[in-house]
Amino acid sequence: DVKVTQSSRYLVKRTGEKVFLECVQDMDHENMFWYRQDPGLGLRLIYFSYDVKMKEKGDIPEGYSVSREKKERFSLILESASTNQTSMYLCASSPTAYQPQHFGDGTRLSIL
Amino acid sequence: AQKVTQAQTEISVVEKEDVTLDCVYETRDTTYYLFWYKQPPSGELVFLIRRNSFDEQNEISGRYSWNFQKSTSSFNFTITASQVVDSAVYFCALSGTGAGSYQLTFGKGTKLSVIP
Repeated sequence: DVKVTQSSRYLVKRTGEKVFLECVQDMDHENMFWYRQDPGLGLRLIYFSYDVKMKEKGDIPEGYSVSREKKERFSLILESASTNQTSMYLCASSPTAYQPQHFGDGTRLSIL
Repeated sequence: AQKVTQAQTEISVVEKEDVTLDCVYETRDTTYYLFWYKQPPSGELVFLIRRNSFDEQNEISGRYSWNFQKSTSSFNFTITASQVVDSAVYFCALSGTGAGSYQLTFGKGTKLSVIP
């Protein structure tokens, strides 16, 4: 079974802090994704990566950056956290395009 | 642009009732893929099914069935004899094969509550 592991289930940070969310997958998947999920808005894609060191902006990249130095690890960075970034963050991976994405358990991030 | 609409925000049914979750999509791609995911209260999205645009056969898996109709751009999901464990948020999603084909476009989800 594919395992996508997110480093924290719950996280509380303060406004202005730099925040790192880590995601690791164990199935040698090419593609990795970061979404945020908000009530009434569904899942929105922040960034994705289709190869090591490659990244593409999703629908809502503002205020975020990503890093993929190794194939199995994809990090989401909030450069200067703001209260409107309080949300559930979901990481996913897939072997190729069009294949099902496999999701981690999510990180519920609160910015105070 | 791609779009997925799940018009039902919340549905409540009594256990053992059948329930259908609607999904309507828009895409300009002639080849595309449709997905359903389940998100139980624990939070992890679980993949249920993938269907490509050339395969309009309905699919049944246990109590779950899916009805894909290209003519109406719909990919509806039916749970037969619902159970409390079916309570979750269900998402329909679309992947095109043109530009941006790595991305899944999700609907906003339908929250299903099955009452014992």
